[in-house]
Amino acid sequence: GAVVSQHPSRVICKSGTSVKIECRSLDFQATTMFWYRQFPKQSLMLMATSNEGSKATYEQGVEKDKFLINHASLTLSTLTVTSAHPEDSSFYICSATVRGAYIGNEKLFFGSGTQLSVL
Amino acid sequence: AQSVTQLGSHVSVSEGALVLLRCNYSSSVPPYLFWYVQYPNQGLQLLLKYTSAATLVKGINGFEAEFKKSETSFHLTKPSAHMSDAAEYFCAVSELGSSNTGKLIFGQGTTLQVKP
Repeated sequence: GAVVSQHPSRVICKSGTSVKIECRSLDFQATTMFWYRQFPKQSLMLMATSNEGSKATYEQGVEKDKFLINHASLTLSTLTVTSAHPEDSSFYICSATVRGAYIGNEKLFFGSGTQLSVL
Repeated sequence: AQSVTQLGSHVSVSEGALVLLRCNYSSSVPPYLFWYVQYPNQGLQLLLKYTSAATLVKGINGFEAEFKKSETSFHLTKPSAHMSDAAEYFCAVSELGSSNTGKLIFGQGTTLQVKP
């Protein structure tokens, strides 16, 4: 089946630094990718929707200047956490879908997630 | 706006016992509904989905869920729990009106513990 690769799986960084997380669709072209954030023992909250070749659409309350999303190709979307602070520590998960796919079909896949810890 | 409520943040069953994880949704029109499983430090794996076809949906690993419109529910069940079923389970609903497929609204999650 289709695979979404997310890298790195775990990252520890110092406060004030920037961290880039990659999300790749390995065997299909993902025109739309989604970025979710998950705090411990909580559900996934959608941060933004990333469409290939256009600016990302951010959910209310998500700082677009802090969480930079780039979807430069049909197989890669990146999330950069800029000037990270301890409160940004969280589990970040991406998902990818295919243009034209209707809701509920198989072409929605999740990455394995990235655990970000900011010291 | 659509929403999903999972009743019970933690469910504990004995190995071999029935598993029942509850999910209720709020939607003004028939939604598409999903159940996902998440193992520690991993992403989400789709268990099953309801897409307005059969109301009883069978998924992987012996799980199934029944869509009940009158109760606005989509509870997840498994006749006999295995130790390997211990994980976090999320119910999700598709957000209608979105031009982007795959935009999901998740419930709070239920941790399933399976005791030997």
